[in-house]
Amino acid sequence: AQKITQTQPGMFVQEKEAVTLDCTYDTSDQSYGLFWYKQPSSGEMIFLIYQGSYDEQNATEGRYSLNFQKARKSANLVISASQLGDSAMYFCAMREGAGGYQKVTFGTGTKLQVIP
Amino acid sequence: DAGITQSPRHKVTETGTPVTLRCHQTENHRYMYWYRQDPGHGLRLIHYSYGVKDTDKGEVSDGYSVSRSKTEDFLLTLESATSSQTSVYFCAISQTTSGANEQYFGPGTRLTVT
Repeated sequence: AQKITQTQPGMFVQEKEAVTLDCTYDTSDQSYGLFWYKQPSSGEMIFLIYQGSYDEQNATEGRYSLNFQKARKSANLVISASQLGDSAMYFCAMREGAGGYQKVTFGTGTKLQVIP
Repeated sequence: DAGITQSPRHKVTETGTPVTLRCHQTENHRYMYWYRQDPGHGLRLIHYSYGVKDTDKGEVSDGYSVSRSKTEDFLLTLESATSSQTSVYFCAISQTTSGANEQYFGPGTRLTVT
């Protein structure tokens, strides 16, 4: 089974609208973390937001929030008030285990295009 | 900025030649990683290091070796490059082993094997 599943290869959103990028995960660990990264067309990987498995509140970072539904094993990224600069690939990732080396698995990504 | 550089940034090489990619960090991070990125696969871990001379394999390690003789440098070597190793290679570091432990990435190296 895929550890991280991003079912939306591509999405469009109107500028200033909100958009949700889906991510589901599969793990039997109790301690894990979920991340979102942004990769613009220039190629760099940019860390956006993190949610720990024991965090009771959804993580927020500026216009980014992570809708964490533990029972459903989903960790969707919500971008509010989309901007043209939000056009990029977005990757969901999961870290499993605690202490020492912690394996990180990435999803295949969602390409978001913001329309003026 | 996590102070990560990669060299070269672009390389074209022929099948069967050895290739070494370098990752350099300036902030004394313990953990370093090499990933490859291919369309439809996201990022896949090749090798990682948890200290000087301490390395281990990731999920796609066949055909690759690594070395870490200094904290700041993590080298990825393709002993005999093949066309299937054409990819974008990213180095990453992680700063802690607790909390978020998010990884920060270098700018990437685009490798083409002809």
